[in-house]
Amino acid sequence: AQSVSQHNHHVILSEAASLELGCNYSYGGTVNLFWYVQYPGQHLQLLLKYFSGDPLVKGIKGFEAEFIKSKFSFNLRKPSVQWSDTAEYFCAVISTSGTYKYIFGTGTRLKVLA
Amino acid sequence: KAGVTQTPRYLIKTRGQQVTLSCSPISGHRSVSWYQQTPGQGLQFLFEYFSETQRNKGNFPGRFSGRQFSNSRSEMNVSTLELGDSALYLCASSFDSPKETQYFGPGTRLLVL
Repeated sequence: AQSVSQHNHHVILSEAASLELGCNYSYGGTVNLFWYVQYPGQHLQLLLKYFSGDPLVKGIKGFEAEFIKSKFSFNLRKPSVQWSDTAEYFCAVISTSGTYKYIFGTGTRLKVLA
Repeated sequence: KAGVTQTPRYLIKTRGQQVTLSCSPISGHRSVSWYQQTPGQGLQFLFEYFSETQRNKGNFPGRFSGRQFSNSRSEMNVSTLELGDSALYLCASSFDSPKETQYFGPGTRLLVL
């Protein structure tokens, strides 16, 4: 069965620290990959996505993610976090063939200290 | 362009009752998906509707059902509520398929007592 693992459930960083959030999925076929963010009191919104092409994708607010097919990973990175990045981050995977289901990871709560 | 709207925003029900939640997608979007969000389980896919037909379904019991109208608005119904149904129910719309970007609504927070 498809699954998505986000190993870090809670992360606390100081401003200007670098961020890397892990995301691993299990599925043997072709997938589309997403990172969504939920700021306090706001809707889930798309941070970035990977469908095909360059495995290094850039999203909003300076975030980027790298798709490593051999490792089934899609880790999220930001070189220097800001207090406003405090939010919950969700990795999501959907297969692109057959009966698809959108599978979300359980989320990582990031707290950035000013 | 208006975003995804969900009504009501908050609901309190008792065990055994039923509830209906509503979702209006972004104008022009034909795919509507529903998710249950809980602290322990994260977001879990309930079902997806496209052109008034359920196109995909997650692993939830038959107490959870939905429908979509010709204007793409969707409703979700939960019958015989259980305490474990307390959650945030999110609706998301996309133009044709959730394989593209999904746009989420604010959710309906359901508390079952």
